[in-house]
Amino acid sequence: SAVISQKPSRDICQRGTSLTIQCQVDSQVTMMFWYRQQPGQSLTLIATANQGSEATYESGFVIDKFPISRPNLTFSTLTVSNMSPEDSSIYLCSAGGARDRTSGNTIYFGEGSWLTVV
Amino acid sequence: DAKTTQPPSMDCAEGRAANLPCNHSTISGNEYVYWYRQIHSQGPQYIIHGLKNNETNEMASLIITEDRKSSTLILPHATLRDTAVYYCIALFDQGAQKLVFGQGTRLTINP
Repeated sequence: SAVISQKPSRDICQRGTSLTIQCQVDSQVTMMFWYRQQPGQSLTLIATANQGSEATYESGFVIDKFPISRPNLTFSTLTVSNMSPEDSSIYLCSAGGARDRTSGNTIYFGEGSWLTVV
Repeated sequence: DAKTTQPPSMDCAEGRAANLPCNHSTISGNEYVYWYRQIHSQGPQYIIHGLKNNETNEMASLIITEDRKSSTLILPHATLRDTAVYYCIALFDQGAQKLVFGQGTRLTINP
């Protein structure tokens, strides 16, 4: 299985500022995704992070608010821009599709980044 | 991907088998059934997946009905640490796919 590390694990942010979350996978993977989980809710997919090209966003999410980078097969970042209290959530990185096929196509998750906007 | 339906909550006594049902009546022939769980404050954890045969691993067993319209995740000897939200997801297993989460089943293991 892939081991996924996220930084920061938690942060308190001022409204109007931006924060970048980093996601590092311990092996090369074909697919990386970003999710948001608001308090008491299920996970909502924000976007698919595409290596070397623009991310693919789900309905309701836009690049200006959630810019995503994926420079290589093991790393991605999500920026939450111009934050408001409504952005207080857990942000989760997930990845799967090992290049060497040893882990199959199962998707694995990081532990999440807890953001509180004040 | 096919829609799945799960009960919102269940209780189970510690040490007993926890049986979590999932309906996926519109599942297509090449969609797999995946199960994840999310323990409070943690990222979702992969449990098991299957296509049509029953599957077992060190965490759980997955029983899929012959018509594949429903399945049951079985935790054979539930412990307090199995208290979590359990998600059943149907998706194609052709390359790693994005997971679409429903509301899941909140399983509470009682001492």
